[in-house]
Amino acid sequence: QKEVEQDPGPLSVPEGAIVSLNCTYSNSAFQYFMWYRQYSRKGPELLMYTYSSGNKEDGRFTAQVDKSSKYISLFIRDSQPSDSATYLCAGTYGNNRLAFGKGNQVVVIP
Amino acid sequence: KAGVTQTPRYLIKTRGQQVTLSCSPISGHRSVSWYQQTPGQGLQFLFEYFSETQRNKGNFPGRFSGRQFSNSRSEMNVSTLELGDSALYLCASSLGVTGGSPLHFGNGTRLTVT
Repeated sequence: QKEVEQDPGPLSVPEGAIVSLNCTYSNSAFQYFMWYRQYSRKGPELLMYTYSSGNKEDGRFTAQVDKSSKYISLFIRDSQPSDSATYLCAGTYGNNRLAFGKGNQVVVIP
Repeated sequence: KAGVTQTPRYLIKTRGQQVTLSCSPISGHRSVSWYQQTPGQGLQFLFEYFSETQRNKGNFPGRFSGRQFSNSRSEMNVSTLELGDSALYLCASSLGVTGGSPLHFGNGTRLTVT
């Protein structure tokens, strides 16, 4: 079982819709959680970085962490075609190890 | 502030050759990590350096090695290349060790082994 599970998609939504992405993790020692966005031929770009359970909002992006269920989510409001990318979730645990999900491809259709 | 810079962007090598990839972290960042990204396996951790010392190492064979210099710049070397080494190699830097501060990635070096 991978440390971080992420449904690879692809996920297609119409412009303006809410995009909902989810990851589950297996190790209760996970402490920090991140969401990255990766465009084709580019490196991952940090979107959200959070530590505690609950919601963190940044513009159209909301990261949600539920440590009791080992579940992390990313919501994108008012999605735009420029949001079309692969989204990666990640978590860190003991001895500063970082584990990534495989990525979820999102396509926003104009 | 300049981001993480990786050179070269693209490389084509032949089986059995060796290759060296270079990474310049964000100014002030002391930790550099390397990842291999493939469509099948996703992002896999290679190693992390902090203040010129390797702090963590992933499950890759000894053909993969790295080092960090006093100015925090890092290099990664792969010897005796195999076809399966074809991948996007990503370097990431952070202020401190992984976890306590988030990783910032470069755009990677696309390595093709023929």
